[in-house]
Amino acid sequence: EAQVTQNPRYLITVTGKKLTVTCSQNMNHEYMSWYRQDPGLGLRQIYYSMNVEVTDKGDVPEGYKVSRKEKRNFPLILESPSPNQTSLYFCASSSWTGRVSGSNQPQHFGDGTRLSIL
Amino acid sequence: QKEVEQDPGPLSVPEGAIVSLNCTYSNSAFQYFMWYRQYSRKGPELLMYTYSSGNKEDGRFTAQVDKSSKYISLFIRDSQPSDSATYLCAMSARGSSNTGKLIFGQGTTLQVKP
Repeated sequence: EAQVTQNPRYLITVTGKKLTVTCSQNMNHEYMSWYRQDPGLGLRQIYYSMNVEVTDKGDVPEGYKVSRKEKRNFPLILESPSPNQTSLYFCASSSWTGRVSGSNQPQHFGDGTRLSIL
Repeated sequence: QKEVEQDPGPLSVPEGAIVSLNCTYSNSAFQYFMWYRQYSRKGPELLMYTYSSGNKEDGRFTAQVDKSSKYISLFIRDSQPSDSATYLCAMSARGSSNTGKLIFGQGTTLQVKP
């Protein structure tokens, strides 16, 4: 079954304690992305990756890091979490032609990770 | 002003009604338009995907894009209680350096009452 898998699904932690949210996809997609979803603000992009070892900032990258060492995995790292990073996080993936002028492909989302930073 | 505007609702309709969900946008470079459905405690699920202007139909769902008005719509015919969810519009521009960059609306919460 084609899917995007995030872990953990729920996490409560404290300010300053480093954490990593894992994301894995089994569709051989080049493109992966992280979003956060907050009430009244919708989904906002944090970081994205167009392929292995290629990552770039989205709209709200402050306080987050990512890495893309393998095609299937795209972990989100919070080095020193703060309460304003309490949110619902989604990982997504899609195929991508590799050309700037190429067609966009729709993104497939995981089921989300609810983070609470106390 | 947000790039994509969507009325958050909530919208409540009786079973069998025709539902109209809408988004407006300001960026004329947007060419890819998507509708996602999100159930509680789940990730967004792609419903409809259209390129440029026009209509696209899939079962009870019809997506319309009017680029001249910068307005997109999703129609749900014969709505069912199982359609109760949050509907998110999303769009992206062709040829940008981030070809996968999606801009989302806030989402409209729909409740279909039996």
